[in-house]
Amino acid sequence: AQTVTQSQPEMSVQEAETVTLSCTYDTSESDYYLFWYKQPPSRQMILVIRQEAYKQQNATENRFSVNFQKAAKSFSLKISDSQLGDAAMYFCAYNTQGAQKLVFGQGTRLTINP
Amino acid sequence: NAGVTQTPKFQVLKTGQSMTLQCAQDMNHNSMYWYRQDPGMGLRLIYYSASEGTTDKGEVPNGYNVSRLNKREFSLRLESAAPSQTSVYFCASRTKPGVQPQHFGDGTRLSIL
Repeated sequence: AQTVTQSQPEMSVQEAETVTLSCTYDTSESDYYLFWYKQPPSRQMILVIRQEAYKQQNATENRFSVNFQKAAKSFSLKISDSQLGDAAMYFCAYNTQGAQKLVFGQGTRLTINP
Repeated sequence: NAGVTQTPKFQVLKTGQSMTLQCAQDMNHNSMYWYRQDPGMGLRLIYYSASEGTTDKGEVPNGYNVSRLNKREFSLRLESAAPSQTSVYFCASRTKPGVQPQHFGDGTRLSIL
């Protein structure tokens, strides 16, 4: 069974600095997708970024980028120029190609210090 | 753009009461999902519906039933609520499994006393 592990329950960063959130996963599949979701205090689940396993190039969305290491089964999220609005729980998630189930990690709570 | 709409947003029940959580999406998505979120455990899949007319168990289905009423609506029912079902419940939908990300509703906070 696939599993997703986020080893950092909490992280904090100074406003305008860069922070990296870690995620590792375990799978025997070769085709899959990885996602980072943000959950602010409003409780919404907001898609931040996604990565297709077959793509070697790391995904980027404005200030958010990933470091995808397929052999190491690692999928970290880098947030550059952190802003107060980035404060939230961040969840890493895995989905095998064509499968219904989205497997979530336990989440990392990110605090932004002004 | 409504996206995925869940009702109610908050509910308090007594042990043994029944309750149906409603979910509707307006994105013409084929697949719909129900998750529960407990502190420190991320989201866990309760049930899903791959397409209209089908439903399947997820990771934690015990104590729940679902109905895919039509393509838009997917409801979750607690027949006899228990304190262990106190949680935040999320509905989600997407058009193509694995490829497309899931779109989530705003969640329902359910407390069972």
